[in-house]
Amino acid sequence: AQSVTQLGSHVSVSEGALVLLRCNYSSSVPPYLFWYVQYPNQGLQLLLKYTTGATLVKGINGFEAEFKKSETSFHLTKPSAHMSDAAEYFCAVSDSGANFNKFYFGSGTKLNVKP
Amino acid sequence: DVKVTQSSRYLVKRTGEKVFLECVQDMDHENMFWYRQDPGLGLRLIYFSYDVKMKEKGDIPEGYSVSREKKERFSLILESASTNQTSMYLCASRTYRDNEQFFGPGTRLTVL
Repeated sequence: AQSVTQLGSHVSVSEGALVLLRCNYSSSVPPYLFWYVQYPNQGLQLLLKYTTGATLVKGINGFEAEFKKSETSFHLTKPSAHMSDAAEYFCAVSDSGANFNKFYFGSGTKLNVKP
Repeated sequence: DVKVTQSSRYLVKRTGEKVFLECVQDMDHENMFWYRQDPGLGLRLIYFSYDVKMKEKGDIPEGYSVSREKKERFSLILESASTNQTSMYLCASRTYRDNEQFFGPGTRLTVL
C-alpha cells in the first residue's frame, strides 16, 4: 500500500510570505497526485492534480506543485500567502495500477496566516 | 455544477443505536467512497463502491457496513454505534475518466 507523509502538522506564515507545504509519497511507479484544501466545517476541495505530462502543475487560488520523481515529492507552494488561505491541506496519492480506485491521504497540514 | 450531498451536517446518537448516513451524487459517477476524518490521522477509507451493488472494504471497515442500491446513492450504516465512532464522515464520488474525487460537506457524528 502507498503511504503519504506531510511534514509539519501546523505551518504558520505571515501574510505575503511564501507558502511551502511538503508532501512525500512511497511508490515504485508514477502515481496520480493531488492536493486538496479543507476550510472549517466543509468537505475537501481539489486544489490541483498531477496525472501525466508537465511536472509543474498550477491550481486554483495561485497554488502550484511540482512532481519530482527522484525525490518522490509533490510539494505545494504559493508565492504570497493571503489570509483566506488559512485552512487544512491534504496531499493524496492514487495508484495507476491494480489499486486504481484507492486514494491514500496524508495526515494534513493546517496553515495559519498571520496578519 | 458537480455536487455531492450528505443527509446531515451534524448528528447526535446514543451508544447502541443504528445509524444511517446517506450520500447522493448527481454526476453519474461510477465510484463512491466513505471516509472518516480524525485530527492528526487524515482521511481513512471505510468502504468504497465501484458500481451499483458492488462494495469493497477499505482500511477500517470494522463496525460499519454499506449499501449501494442505486448509482447515485451510497449509504454508510453503523449497526450499533459506539463512542469511538464519534468522528467526521466524508463521502466522495469519482469517475474513471478524471480520477478526481469530489467530496460532500461532511457529517459530524457524535455518539454519546
